Amino acid sequence: NAGVMQNPRHLVRRRGQEARLRCSPMKGHSHVYWYRQLPEEGLKFMVYLQKENIIDESGMPKERFSAEFPKEGPSILRIQQVVRGDSAAYFCASSPVADTQYFGPGTRLTVL
Amino acid sequence: EDQVTQSPEALRLQEGESSSLNCSYTVSGLRGLFWYRQDPGKGPEFLFTLYSAGEEKEKERLKATLTKKESFLHITAPKPEDSATYLCAVLHTGANSKLTFGKGITLSVRP
Repeated sequence: NAGVMQNPRHLVRRRGQEARLRCSPMKGHSHVYWYRQLPEEGLKFMVYLQKENIIDESGMPKERFSAEFPKEGPSILRIQQVVRGDSAAYFCASSPVADTQYFGPGTRLTVL
Repeated sequence: EDQVTQSPEALRLQEGESSSLNCSYTVSGLRGLFWYRQDPGKGPEFLFTLYSAGEEKEKERLKATLTKKESFLHITAPKPEDSATYLCAVLHTGANSKLTFGKGITLSVRP
């Protein structure tokens, strides 16, 4: 049973470009969560999605950030016009019900 | 607002030297408390879920316990491969499912 998959594992973007991070949940999991981990800080919740629905986006910056979990395909976290402060590790987690969350390996975004 | 505080920030142990990691929490209503292990450059790996005060769970050299205000992760006779950052997180009752994490405890076990 494959775990949560994320790609790419490393992403380098120049300021002003767009970053697209992908997450495929574990088989049978319909709940997806995105978290961000800045250096020397803990994991911070960003958004919680179920298929075709955003359930809670209270941790998402109001501008430039968006997320989706379409009926078919992976969940996507999109960051438009990236800035240096967006450099971080972004983790996706999934769960079969709203309980224990299983994390992927993360995407490390570097903004030059 | 939910808060999670972990202490100490870092802990260095000799192989075989047992110790405990602390996680103090403030939450309006606890649905669950979670322990994860994170190795450098990797995602958090699930260890335990605790739901109510008095509950205990064990896995190999690790045992997690829960009270109404804090949780402990006890490490018995640690080995160098137990070196990692240990994360504590809480999930509160209610409609949303966001985990609130502490900053983690970095454990180093010397051979």
